[in-house]
Amino acid sequence: DAKTTQPPSMDCAEGRAANLPCNHSTISGNEYVYWYRQIHSQGPQYIIHGLKNNETNEMASLIITEDRKSSTLILPHATLRDTAVYYCIVRVTGANNLFFGTGTRLTVIP
Amino acid sequence: DAGITQSPRHKVTETGTPVTLRCHQTENHRYMYWYRQDPGHGLRLIHYSYGVKDTDKGEVSDGYSVSRSKTEDFLLTLESATSSQTSVYFCATSPQGTTEAFFGQGTRLTVV
Repeated sequence: DAKTTQPPSMDCAEGRAANLPCNHSTISGNEYVYWYRQIHSQGPQYIIHGLKNNETNEMASLIITEDRKSSTLILPHATLRDTAVYYCIVRVTGANNLFFGTGTRLTVIP
Repeated sequence: DAGITQSPRHKVTETGTPVTLRCHQTENHRYMYWYRQDPGHGLRLIHYSYGVKDTDKGEVSDGYSVSRSKTEDFLLTLESATSSQTSVYFCATSPQGTTEAFFGQGTRLTVV
């Protein structure tokens, strides 16, 4: 699985968009980009994933650059409940592990 | 949370004693995983299962064993607990052919 690089921490004002970057410059053509988050001491929660097209669901949007070497997770209107550690993971479909790394700690500020 | 129940949620045990953590799922997912989470390390895979009686090692499997005799249950055993195994343990499940994983709420284990 390709290695990912994320900033250790970010702040975002409540109600504003939170843009969380992820660098995965060694990603292979068959590796997907996954995002999970972990709120306080709960188990990680799946957010979204994509291969090369931008994706959107009820929680977030995922923007993947054309060369696929980086991506951005967008929370369009951050709330205090979005304060969490966000993990960017690249993985081949069907592979048996998720390498979480240390993620980005997002703090949403009132 | 895909009906994942971990038990116990908290446990304190003494060094050298055996400990078994249980993960129970109600979603009939084929894949099940055990992770541990420690400060500064994120989540690391201990063992995983890809079916009944089919298991394999993860990146930090030393000192741990697992068993899966039924689809719904995945047991993690510490044969002789050590202080280095003090951690938060998470179970996860995943349907076959997809990689979206669902996590349990975790078990906090303290070895004294």
